[in-house]
Amino acid sequence: DAGVTQSPTHLIKTRGQQVTLRCSPKSGHDTVSWYQQALGQGPQFIFQYYEEEERQRGNFPDRFSGHQFPNYSSELNVNALLLGDSALYLCASSLMWGHIQYFGAGTRLSVL
Amino acid sequence: SQELEQSPQSLIVQEGKNLTINCTSSKTLYGLYWYKQKYGEGLIFLMMLQKGGEEKSHEKITAKLDEKKQQSSLHITASQPSHAGIYLCGADMNSGGGADGLTFGKGTHLIIQP
Repeated sequence: DAGVTQSPTHLIKTRGQQVTLRCSPKSGHDTVSWYQQALGQGPQFIFQYYEEEERQRGNFPDRFSGHQFPNYSSELNVNALLLGDSALYLCASSLMWGHIQYFGAGTRLSVL
Repeated sequence: SQELEQSPQSLIVQEGKNLTINCTSSKTLYGLYWYKQKYGEGLIFLMMLQKGGEEKSHEKITAKLDEKKQQSSLHITASQPSHAGIYLCGADMNSGGGADGLTFGKGTHLIIQP
């Protein structure tokens, strides 16, 4: 049974560009959450998708947007990249009423 | 200030010794989750606590949630090199139910010395 998978594993972009990160949830899970983890910090909640809609959002600007597809996979889009967007982006999947979130290995984004 | 405080920030322990990591919140916790992270990798789920006074164990790791549901501790008995990594506590601070976005502490870096 495949766990949460994220792609790509690493990405290098320049300031002002746009990026799309992808996540496939654990089999059977219907909810996907995205987190940003800066170096030396704990993960920060970006937003959560359930039934193809954004259910909750953390304190992130509108440059961060997402999407969930009918097969429950999800994308995270970041526009107008800033140097400060450099981080490890983590995707977690869960059942809406199952509570436990399982994390993927993350996508390391470097903005130059 | 950080909503979820972890202590200590880092810990160096000799192999075979016991250790405790703490996680404290100023708000009621509706779910407390412990994860382990290898540097630069994803988070591995360890344990979930939801009820005040709850205690759970897995192998040599025990986690507790206090009666007021504002503090949790993670205790490792007879530490081994495989226990090295970053331990993160994550909390659900919403009472509405469902799998909510988690608030995380900054993590505790654990080093095991042979």
